[in-house]
Amino acid sequence: RKEVEQDPGPFNVPEGATVAFNCTYSNSASQSFFWYRQDCRKEPKLLMSVYSSGNEDGRFTAQLNRASQYISLLIRDSKLSDSATYLCVVNLSGGGADGLTFGKGTHLIIQP
Amino acid sequence: EPEVTQTPSHQVTQMGQEVILRCVPISNHLYFYWYRQILGQKVEFLVSFYNNEISEKSEIFDDQFSVERPDGSNFTLKIRSTKLEDSAMYFCASSATGGNQPQHFGDGTRLSIL
Repeated sequence: RKEVEQDPGPFNVPEGATVAFNCTYSNSASQSFFWYRQDCRKEPKLLMSVYSSGNEDGRFTAQLNRASQYISLLIRDSKLSDSATYLCVVNLSGGGADGLTFGKGTHLIIQP
Repeated sequence: EPEVTQTPSHQVTQMGQEVILRCVPISNHLYFYWYRQILGQKVEFLVSFYNNEISEKSEIFDDQFSVERPDGSNFTLKIRSTKLEDSAMYFCASSATGGNQPQHFGDGTRLSIL
């Protein structure tokens, strides 16, 4: 069965700390990987795509380990506004118009 | 920044009634999608649409569901005879191309079946 697995948390982290999440995916042929964030009762919003070589966007760093089939997200110098649910999202089939498979999300709470 | 827009934001419908959810994808995007999220659960793929036809659909997308692109801008999801378990948040998404391109989501329609 094709799945994306995440630790649901919650992660309670003090402001300014560094926090990391992992996620695993089931299909080794998967080609596209993303992190989205979702605020309560809102739509998923793209945080960043995840590339094979790893990529960084400001305080956020994403990495992909194809051999172990996991993706990570690192948030440095966390802000109160980073509190949200972080969704690991994979195109498991690798096809052109395929739907995305979402993890259940990791709930992050940044505490002042 | 271009957005995916969805209407209505909240739809309340009696069980057994038909409902149509509407979406306007980002204008230069070619791939369109519907997802749903039952309260407290993960986002689930329903259907993808490209070149005026369904490209892929999930097990959830049974004969009660249909999609249509009636003109150059709208993309609709119809549920023919709603059930209580259809109550969920329905998200429309679009992407410029398929595959490795990220999908951009609308702010959703909350569907409540009574």
